[in-house]
Amino acid sequence: AQTVTQSQPEMSVQEAETVTLSCTYDTSESDYYLFWYKQPPSRQMILVIRQEAYKQQNATENRFSVNFQKAAKSFSLKISDSQLGDAAMYFCAYRSYAGGTSYGKLTFGQGTILTVHP
Amino acid sequence: DTGVSQNPRHKITKRGQNVTFRCDPISEHNRLYWYRQTLGQGPEFLTYFQNEAQLEKSRLLSDRFSAERPKGSFSTLEIQRTEQGDSAMYLCASRRQGISTGELFFGEGSRLTVL
Repeated sequence: AQTVTQSQPEMSVQEAETVTLSCTYDTSESDYYLFWYKQPPSRQMILVIRQEAYKQQNATENRFSVNFQKAAKSFSLKISDSQLGDAAMYFCAYRSYAGGTSYGKLTFGQGTILTVHP
Repeated sequence: DTGVSQNPRHKITKRGQNVTFRCDPISEHNRLYWYRQTLGQGPEFLTYFQNEAQLEKSRLLSDRFSAERPKGSFSTLEIQRTEQGDSAMYLCASRRQGISTGELFFGEGSRLTVL
């Protein structure tokens, strides 16, 4: 079974600064997807960024980018030019590539609460 | 596209009572998932539907829990004889089949408090 670990329960950043959230995972599979989801207080979880394991290039979405280290099984999220609206709980998640009995379900880490200071 | 809708948003009940939560997925999404999230933790998978068929159930889904998805549209999650340990946020998510990189779209959740 796959496991996802987020070792930073809480992080804080000043507005306009950069912050990196850490995530490690354990799997014996070679093909899979990794995700970062954002969960604002009392709001639904939304996808921030996605990485396919077979792609060597790190994914980027505007101010959000990842550092995917497949051999080290590490998947960190960098938020540049942090904004007040980035304050939320961030979850790292793993999904098997396709088929079999995984059915596309996600395995989540414990989450990191990000506070953005003005 | 109105998103994934969950009702009720909050439910307070006494121990031993039954509760039912409803999830309306995005209309063209045939895959539906239920997760449970306790305070300060990540969501944990409960069960999965593909159309009306319940294809997987987690060990977390005890005999007191039952989920249905009649006609492959909305889904219900019922908890019988609730216990204080059932207090959590119950999240529903849906996804469209055929898109291998498809993300899960989550609802806002149904928060259960068992007194």
